[in-house]
Order: sequence, then structure tokens, then C-alpha cells
Amino acid sequence: SQQGEEDPQALSIQEGENATMNCSYKTSINNLQWYRQNSGRGLVHLILIRSNEREKHSGRLRVTLDTSKKSSSLLITASRAADTASYFCASNFGNEKLTFGTGTRLTIIP
Amino acid sequence: DTEVTQTPKHLVMGMTNKKSLKCEQHMGHRAMYWYKQKAKKPPELMFVYSYEKLSINESVPSRFSPECPNSSLLNLHLHALQPEDSALYLCASSQDLGGYEQFFGPGTRLTVL
Repeated sequence: SQQGEEDPQALSIQEGENATMNCSYKTSINNLQWYRQNSGRGLVHLILIRSNEREKHSGRLRVTLDTSKKSSSLLITASRAADTASYFCASNFGNEKLTFGTGTRLTIIP
Repeated sequence: DTEVTQTPKHLVMGMTNKKSLKCEQHMGHRAMYWYKQKAKKPPELMFVYSYEKLSINESVPSRFSPECPNSSLLNLHLHALQPEDSALYLCASSQDLGGYEQFFGPGTRLTVL
């Protein structure tokens, strides 16, 4: 399978804490994206980082990319109950399809 | 308008039925996608249309038949499905192929009896 791996599979933290999830992929990439999915609904794009970038910020989100290790991490700071969702990384090379990671289920405890 | 719409939201069908899922976007995107998602799993790509032509078919069984009537619409025709086809079916669109941000619809929850 070309699927990327994410860890942890599931993560529960207290509201206000930071959440970090990691993604590993298998092939060279043009960019890597992170998506959020609330239970049983469509995915929402969060952030895209290109292969020549090492770090990117968007609001409370911080993404890093290490192409030498074929890995990326997503940090959500000051978590809120509304951040409870599944998070997927997705990588792409050229015009090939997006390949999604296995996902991390994040639960924020109020 | 940055929305992708899908109808119906829920669909229950028997194994002998024929039904269709519909997807629409008005963002001028040239690539449209069908994904299948089982519970607690990532989306699995089924089909990709680029400029209204089928670009990728991920070896999907012929009981699933995609159609792209125009640049804004994408259909998925269903016939003689199996219970294991029950899943969330997601439509998405992007500006073009090649790793652009994809905009997803809310999905159709399909149950095959």
C-alpha cells in the first residue's frame, strides 16, 4: 500500500493543551496537505506545505516537513472542544493522486 | 461560492436497485473526484475527472459508473451493489490535477441491504 502512516492513531487531551500528530509517507512528494474531518462528514483542507518548505503556520496550526525523513507533523496549539475530529495527512507527487494517511482521531476533553 | 454539494445525504438501496449520487461545484474547478470511505479509514480514491474526461479509474468494479455531464456536475451511478459497498461516498473538486487543495462535499451515506 502507498498509504502514509499517522501516529498516534488516537489522541485525547484536555482543552487548552497542545496536540501533535505525525505523518510518514513513502515516496518523493511535491507537497503535503493536512485535512480535518468531523464525524461522518466531508474533509476540510487545513494547510498545504510544499516540498521546499520546512515549516508553515496558519492560526493555531503549525506544520513541519522533513523530506529527508519523509515525515510531517501537525501541531494544534491551545486546543478547543471544536478541534475534536479526525486529521489526515495527504501527499502528492506530480499529477498523481493524493495519497491519504491512516488518520489520527483527536478528542478534546472539556 | 466555495461549496461542493452532494445529494442525497443518505441512501438506502437493495442489491437489485439502480440509484445515482450527484455532486456539484461552481468554483470553476477542472478536476473532480469520487472517494469511498469506510468507518475509521481514510478516503479511498475511486475516480478522477479532469476537464470532463475520466483521468483515473482505481480499478473500481463496473457496478459503479461515473459520469461527468459538464464541468460543474459529477454523477456516480450505482447498480447491483453489494452490502460491502455500504460506506460514505465523498465528492471533491480542485483547481486542477497535481496536488491542489481539494474541496470536499459533505458526502452521501450509502447503505446496501
